[in-house]
Amino acid sequence: KNEVEQSPQNLTAQEGEFITINCSYSVGISALHWLQQHPGGGIVSLFMLSSGKKKHGRLIATINIQEKHSSLHITASHPRDSAVYICAAQGNTGNQFYFGTGTSLTVIP
Amino acid sequence: ETGVTQTPRHLVMGMTNKKSLKCEQHLGHNAMYWYKQSAKKPLELMFVYSLEERVENNSVPSRFSPECPNSSHLFLHLHTLQPEDSALYLCASSQRGGPHTGELFFGEGSRLTVL
Repeated sequence: KNEVEQSPQNLTAQEGEFITINCSYSVGISALHWLQQHPGGGIVSLFMLSSGKKKHGRLIATINIQEKHSSLHITASHPRDSAVYICAAQGNTGNQFYFGTGTSLTVIP
Repeated sequence: ETGVTQTPRHLVMGMTNKKSLKCEQHLGHNAMYWYKQSAKKPLELMFVYSLEERVENNSVPSRFSPECPNSSHLFLHLHTLQPEDSALYLCASSQRGGPHTGELFFGEGSRLTVL
């Protein structure tokens, strides 16, 4: 069993819809990361959070430390949001990262 | 542009070849990583160089050999690979210590195909 589980694995949405991607983890963490990977491979860090909530444009990330759960929300989704979104738990030592398998999002115009 | 550059972007090699992947970061970070990404699997950590310390995943075969000559450059030397080693190899860097400790910056990846 992977230390980080994401759901759903695949998600198709109509442009403008509100999207939620969930992440559960089973290890002790110093931080939780949300990453975005576009076709072609490059990965970009969206959020790094250890408590509460962060917002960047149309993206919002939340974390509940007690429940070991994090969510990534996208408001007013757009086709350019189509990508794979990866949740990563950073272990307490700092060097160790545990990655989810990713959620593949397709936003249809 | 993330500040982490990987070359080559694509590499095709035979099982008897020796090749190297290169990564360079222009962010002043003090930790660099090699990850392997296979289809439908989580990113797999291969090696970490952090604060002059090397950490490796013990499951990585010896046909993969990392080299970190300085804090800005990281290589992955490839020797007698197997077809199952075909994957996307991602380099990342981060800053250990300070307010942004741990935030990863990834390169575009090197797509490796072993024939």
